[in-house]
Amino acid sequence: EVQLVDSGGDLVQPGGSLRLSCATSGFTFSDHYMDWVRQAPGKGLEWVGRTRNKANEYTTEYAASVKDRFTISRDESKNSLYMQMNSLKTEDTAMYYCARSVGDFRRFDLWGQGTLVTVSS
Amino acid sequence: DIQLTQSPSFLSASVGDRVTITCRASQAISNYLAWYQQKAGKAPKLLIFAASTLQSGVPSRFSGSGSGTEFTLTISSLQPEDFATYYCQHLNTYPITFGQGTRLEIK
Repeated sequence: EVQLVDSGGDLVQPGGSLRLSCATSGFTFSDHYMDWVRQAPGKGLEWVGRTRNKANEYTTEYAASVKDRFTISRDESKNSLYMQMNSLKTEDTAMYYCARSVGDFRRFDLWGQGTLVTVSS
Repeated sequence: DIQLTQSPSFLSASVGDRVTITCRASQAISNYLAWYQQKAGKAPKLLIFAASTLQSGVPSRFSGSGSGTEFTLTISSLQPEDFATYYCQHLNTYPITFGQGTRLEIK
């Protein structure tokens, strides 16, 4: 089955760290760009960052709000995507979704179910 | 950054109605626009990409149009399962951004 399964969300104090995971199955992981999108409680969608595919050397892009604090990586042997989140702020509280990005237009055609990160003291 | 402004932010309609949601970009993005549907507590679902191409498996009552800075999502005859929040997204440059959302509720 083609799917993404998000995990790793938790309650963490401001200034703390957390690593999110996205387990993939049913498709060739190395062929695809992968993205993270978040949604604060009751708010809209915010793109967080992207890792390109193997052909594009897994290079990354980030939103300004998380650049230098969050790092996206992937483990091809485990078909998994990760996001290391450091120096967390209360405004990082959100549901985090991984998404697969496909085609010339890089549309987000497959999404995980989301994992909740709460940053609070 | 490219800003996307959706209108209206809230829409009340009845089953069988035809509804249109507009998304305006702060600068031209060609047709690098997608539309998503999100139901409460669920991940977003891709409806339309490249401004007007229907994603596989999406009912034909959904359609998209536009290019440049103005885009529309139309639902030709609302069904009960269509009541949700809709977001546009540009994929033209970084950062990728989303519109603020349009919440579609039953009248």
